[in-house]
Amino acid sequence: GQQLNQSPQSMFIQEGEDVSMNCTSSSIFNTWLWYKQEPGEGPVLLIALYKAGELTSNGRLTAQFGITRKDSFLNISASIPSDVGIYFCAGQGANAGGTSYGKLTFGQGTILTVHP
Amino acid sequence: DSGVTQTPKHLITATGQRVTLRCSPRSGDLSVYWYQQSLDQGLQFLIQYYNGEERAKGNILERFSAQQFPDLHSELNLSSLELGDSALYFCASSARGSPGLAGGYEQFFGPGTRLTVL
Repeated sequence: GQQLNQSPQSMFIQEGEDVSMNCTSSSIFNTWLWYKQEPGEGPVLLIALYKAGELTSNGRLTAQFGITRKDSFLNISASIPSDVGIYFCAGQGANAGGTSYGKLTFGQGTILTVHP
Repeated sequence: DSGVTQTPKHLITATGQRVTLRCSPRSGDLSVYWYQQSLDQGLQFLIQYYNGEERAKGNILERFSAQQFPDLHSELNLSSLELGDSALYFCASSARGSPGLAGGYEQFFGPGTRLTVL
């Protein structure tokens, strides 16, 4: 089945630093999404990307949909303590027969720790 | 708050038992998805419903079943529970059910149900 490789697995950074994480896939996706999950809560949607090459920002977050449709990255600028959490990439829908419909395939997550 | 509600928040039960997890999607969303999150498997797609009909199936065990009712809420039934079924179960909803359309299929997750099987 489809596999997403997300890296790095974890990051320990100082407040104010920029962060970059990425996901690569062996298969293409029509949509890439980035989520953040905090302990005891469900994933929260940060950014959704719909077109190859698209670059989208949401405040200090910027994400890009790779040209090959097999990868995406997320950047966080000027990190703050509340950025702590687990960040997940997810790919959606690209089966030729359309049978995957809305299913999300998730990466393994990047654990972000921000030191004040 | 995503607008997706799930009950109960926590569930503790014994092996061999059956439980039902409930999900109410965001107002107006027609599609509901169920995911399982465990330490070793990560977030895994189980099943999708769209406007009452099953749309896609993932790695869902035969002991598990789901349905979406006319009011669009959904239930996930887990039976003959095993220790390995202990996990977080999330429900998500989206306005539409098929990717490739111009938006409307971003998934919004509920707070989850933590199932512990003893």
